[in-house]
Amino acid sequence: DARVTQTPRDKVTEMGQEVTMRCQPILGHNTVFWYRQTMMQGLELLAYFRNRAPLDDSGMPKDRFSAEMPDATLATLKIQPSEPRDSAVYFCASGLDSSYGYTFGSGTRLTVV
Amino acid sequence: GENVEQHPSTLSVQEGDSAVIKCTYSDSASNYFPWYKQELGKRPQLIIDIRSNVGEKKDQRIAVTLNKTAKHFSLHITETQPEDSAVYFCAASISGAGSYQLTFGKGTKLSVIP
Repeated sequence: DARVTQTPRDKVTEMGQEVTMRCQPILGHNTVFWYRQTMMQGLELLAYFRNRAPLDDSGMPKDRFSAEMPDATLATLKIQPSEPRDSAVYFCASGLDSSYGYTFGSGTRLTVV
Repeated sequence: GENVEQHPSTLSVQEGDSAVIKCTYSDSASNYFPWYKQELGKRPQLIIDIRSNVGEKKDQRIAVTLNKTAKHFSLHITETQPEDSAVYFCAASISGAGSYQLTFGKGTKLSVIP
């Protein structure tokens, strides 16, 4: 089965540190999404890209979060500086124009202490 | 933007019984409605989806129904088994102009009691 690969799987960091999460979408998929999952808020869309161009990042706190897609095989989500309230599971998902469903990666569990 | 409401938030059923999860959406332009299953500590996985041009779709023990007039859709699981225990998310998508971001419901934690 084709998979969306996310690294790292788990990350514990101190408040104020920079965190970078990476995602390798399924080969050939042209749309990449970043979601954050918490118990309180559920699955929140942070940003998404189509053909590497950012389409919507309105769900992302702009002062500390940034998302990029330097090439078709890599998407990154960066938090600088990190805060305890950023603790969550961050999922990347990818999809293809010709179909509506998309595939989630295994997530990065971020803990900011 | 789109808003998706999901009920109930928790659901317990006896093994072998049926489970029904309901969702409503706000934007009549939405035309794609997938359901995801998320087991503890794992990623959400697509289990079934329905498009606005059909009213019902079945896949073995799972079925989804859609009422576009009322703007609601439901997931039905028959003959539930312990391995059906998970959190289920509904979602809705407004497709068009290359945009098909999904808006998710808050999830339903289904527990199947052996």
